[in-house]
Amino acid sequence: EDQVTQSPEALRLQEGESSSLNCSYTVSGLRGLFWYRQDPGKGPEFLFTLYSAGEEKEKERLKATLTKKESFLHITAPKPEDSATYLCAVGHNSGYALNFGKGTSLLVTP
Amino acid sequence: EAGVAQSPRYKIIEKRQSVAFWCNPISGHATLYWYQQILGQGPKLLIQFQNNGVVDDSQLPKDRFSAERLKGVDSTLKIQPAKLEDSAVYLCASSSSASNYGYTFGSGTRLTVV
Repeated sequence: EDQVTQSPEALRLQEGESSSLNCSYTVSGLRGLFWYRQDPGKGPEFLFTLYSAGEEKEKERLKATLTKKESFLHITAPKPEDSATYLCAVGHNSGYALNFGKGTSLLVTP
Repeated sequence: EAGVAQSPRYKIIEKRQSVAFWCNPISGHATLYWYQQILGQGPKLLIQFQNNGVVDDSQLPKDRFSAERLKGVDSTLKIQPAKLEDSAVYLCASSSSASNYGYTFGSGTRLTVV
């Protein structure tokens, strides 16, 4: 059975203090590893898809990396507007449904 | 490009009552999903449609939940009768089968069962 575990559950950073969020996964056939951002009262917003170990993708202050067992979302010099819940999900190669982790709630203070 | 539309945004009902949620996906998206997100949890798939056919409803509590997607466009999710544990945000999402970019979610309907 596919499993997705995210850590930490919550993270508080000072503005400019870089850190990483972790997503550990087990899946029998990986179609892709997805990162989403979710703001309060809104649906998840797509950030990245990673398909194979060693792949990296960047967007502004965010960089996602993938190994065979985990993915990291690195946040460089975060700003208060980066505060949100970050969700990791795996897609199985049998279809398009996604299996989500519980998320990491990130708070960036000025 | 218009996003995924959902209504209502909020709903409060008493247990044992019925409720329905509506979703209009992005135009041209063949695949439509309903997810349930309980507070503090990640979204959990309830049902997946491809056009107007069901692809996966293995996690849908079929004794009380039903969903349909007539004409392969918009969709309705119904709960009858509701239980306290159904309190959650119900998210609709859609994707193009050719998409490699995950999919697009609506803002969801927050259901409170009292």
